[in-house]
Amino acid sequence: NAGVTQTPKFRILKIGQSMTLQCAQDMNHNYMYWYRQDPGMGLKLIYYSVGAGITDKGEVPNGYNVSRSTTEDFPLRLELAAPSQTSVYFCASSSLGGRTEAFFGQGTRLTVV
Amino acid sequence: AQTVTQSQPEMSVQEAETVTLSCTYDTSESNYYLFWYKQPPSRQMILVIRQEAYKQQNATENRFSVNFQKAAKSFSLKISDSQLGDTAMYFCAFMNLQGGSEKLVFGKGTKLTVNP
Repeated sequence: NAGVTQTPKFRILKIGQSMTLQCAQDMNHNYMYWYRQDPGMGLKLIYYSVGAGITDKGEVPNGYNVSRSTTEDFPLRLELAAPSQTSVYFCASSSLGGRTEAFFGQGTRLTVV
Repeated sequence: AQTVTQSQPEMSVQEAETVTLSCTYDTSESNYYLFWYKQPPSRQMILVIRQEAYKQQNATENRFSVNFQKAAKSFSLKISDSQLGDTAMYFCAFMNLQGGSEKLVFGKGTKLTVNP
């Protein structure tokens, strides 16, 4: 059972570089989320999607972009990486929003130097 | 905007004892869900327990139970018979079910250490 798969697990970027964090789920979930977790802190919502073709901003969307062309995939794009984007990124999905459990990926540890 | 506050950054408990983690939230809505998630050192987020706001009965899952006080907007987690494997970060989370905006919002977490 794959669940929610995030790639890569680790990445080091130089300031100004761009990259895409991949997230895929095989549970046919409508809801998908991207969070960042800074050291010793909780999870802050970056973007979320309630279905294919629909995305919306969370608490900290600046510097990020997302797309949701299919139900399965929800990539997160970082343009012009900055040291402030050094964090652990989590992708999550759920079938009926809060009515069911949200499943999380294993996280991507990103360092911007 | 909904906010979730966990006022205890760190807590510790002796093995086999009981510990309660606090959580308060702020919302003007009446229909929502509340969650407690556990994050062990492996970083994996694991759902511990879920409470539906329209249910007055407190949720329980084996050794885990909640004290849900809707009027006070309080949602504490009680862990009974604490085990070494309960050592983890615990996050309280909130999801509003109205307005088509089902964002899952987290508190800053409480680091729980269970001592042998």
